[in-house]
Amino acid sequence: AQSVTQLDSQVPVFEEAPVELRCNYSSSVSVYLFWYVQYPNQGLQLLLKYLSGSTLVKGINGFEAEFNKSQTSFHLRKPSVHISDTAEYFCAVSALQGGKLIFGQGTELSVKP
Amino acid sequence: DAMVIQNPRYQVTQFGKPVTLSCSQTLNHNVMYWYQQKSSQAPKLLFHYYDKDFNNEADTPDNFQSRRPNTSFCFLDIRSPGLGDAAMYLCATSRGVSRTDTQYFGPGTRLTVL
Repeated sequence: AQSVTQLDSQVPVFEEAPVELRCNYSSSVSVYLFWYVQYPNQGLQLLLKYLSGSTLVKGINGFEAEFNKSQTSFHLRKPSVHISDTAEYFCAVSALQGGKLIFGQGTELSVKP
Repeated sequence: DAMVIQNPRYQVTQFGKPVTLSCSQTLNHNVMYWYQQKSSQAPKLLFHYYDKDFNNEADTPDNFQSRRPNTSFCFLDIRSPGLGDAAMYLCATSRGVSRTDTQYFGPGTRLTVL
C-alpha cells in the first residue's frame, strides 16, 4: 500500500528565512509525487511534481523539491519565504490504481514578520 | 485562462435539506473529481467521472450522489445533509486517470449545515 507522511503539522518561520517542509512516502513501485498549496478558503494549487528525470524539481513561487529514493523523501524547500507563503501545504502520491491521489495530512506554514 | 470553477463559493443549508454544488471546467478534461475536506484535514476523494463512467469510492456514503450531464459540468448532490457533512467540497479535473496525470483544483465550496 502507498502512503504519505508529512512529519510536521505546523512550521512557524520568520520572513526571509529558509524553510523545509518534510514529506516521506511509502511505495513498492515507482512513485509520482506532487506538492500542492492551499491558501485560506481556497482550493489546492499545484506547486510542483516529480514524474521522472532530474531529482531536483523546481516549481512556482520559488519553491523546489528533491526526490530522494534511498530516503523515500520528497522535501519541499524555499530559500527565503514571504508573508504571502503562509498557507497549508500538502504532499501527495499518485495511487497504484490511477486517478487517485493519496495526500499527507498537510503542513501549516506560518510566516511571521 | 482555462480553469475549474465552483459555484457557489459558500453554501448554507439546513439539516436534512437537499443541496447541490456545481463545478464547471474549461480545460476540456476527461476526468472530474469531487473531494470532501474537513477542517484541518487532507482532502478525501468521494468519487470521480471518467467521461460518463462513474467511479464511487468504497467508503463514500450513499447520501452523496453526482451527475455529469456533459464534459464541462459536474454536480455534487447531498440528499440529506447532516451536521457532519459540513466541509469544504473541492472539484478537480485531469486529462486522464494515468498515474502521471495532474489534477487541477477549483477554489472549493464551503458548506455550512445548520
